[in-house]
Amino acid sequence: DQQVKQNSPSLSVQEGRISILNCDYTNSMFDYFLWYKKYPAEGPTFLISISSIKDKNEDGRFTVFLNKSAKHLSLHIVPSQPGDSAVYFCAATRGNQFYFGTGTSLTVIP
Amino acid sequence: DAGITQSPRHKVTETGTPVTLRCHQTENHRYMYWYRQDPGHGLRLIHYSYGVKDTDKGEVSDGYSVSRSKTEDFLLTLESATSSQTSVYFCAGSGSQKETQYFGPGTRLLVL
Repeated sequence: DQQVKQNSPSLSVQEGRISILNCDYTNSMFDYFLWYKKYPAEGPTFLISISSIKDKNEDGRFTVFLNKSAKHLSLHIVPSQPGDSAVYFCAATRGNQFYFGTGTSLTVIP
Repeated sequence: DAGITQSPRHKVTETGTPVTLRCHQTENHRYMYWYRQDPGHGLRLIHYSYGVKDTDKGEVSDGYSVSRSKTEDFLLTLESATSSQTSVYFCAGSGSQKETQYFGPGTRLLVL
């Protein structure tokens, strides 16, 4: 049973515009939520995280929002760049257990 | 992250054969993890380690065992490989901020 879900397998955005990637979860006991970026034939790369006690975290062009009542988090990328084209995974952790979503493939069109 | 390497990077084996995948890190990560990535499932945690000789099960541990005899190395063993274990396997490590994991490049395993 998937505890972390990414319902959009793909997303296309024009360069310079905002990319919004979404993620839903079912377990209200998760401690942290994370976003990873993955290029083909490489391992995932950590992007940004947010504690379950916060509702927003920002790092440069990347902002993660957490809505605990809706069990929803989102990653905003502003402005989007062609180099952002990759698969994005959201993940959640409780203790030493990690749960990943199935990923969203982002394409930024020049 | 160049601090985590995996070997082999590609392997083809036959059903029933034992297979060991190796993860080596030079970052002194306390925590180490093995994941598998499959279409429609994302990454799923197989086993993790929270110190030398300290390991525990993840979400999909059946058919897998791990060992960590020293900080740098975390081995994943498939005692008797099955076709359902065909996958891409990723190793990861983390330190004091264990929610921030650093991944290796992956091992592509094909079980015929």
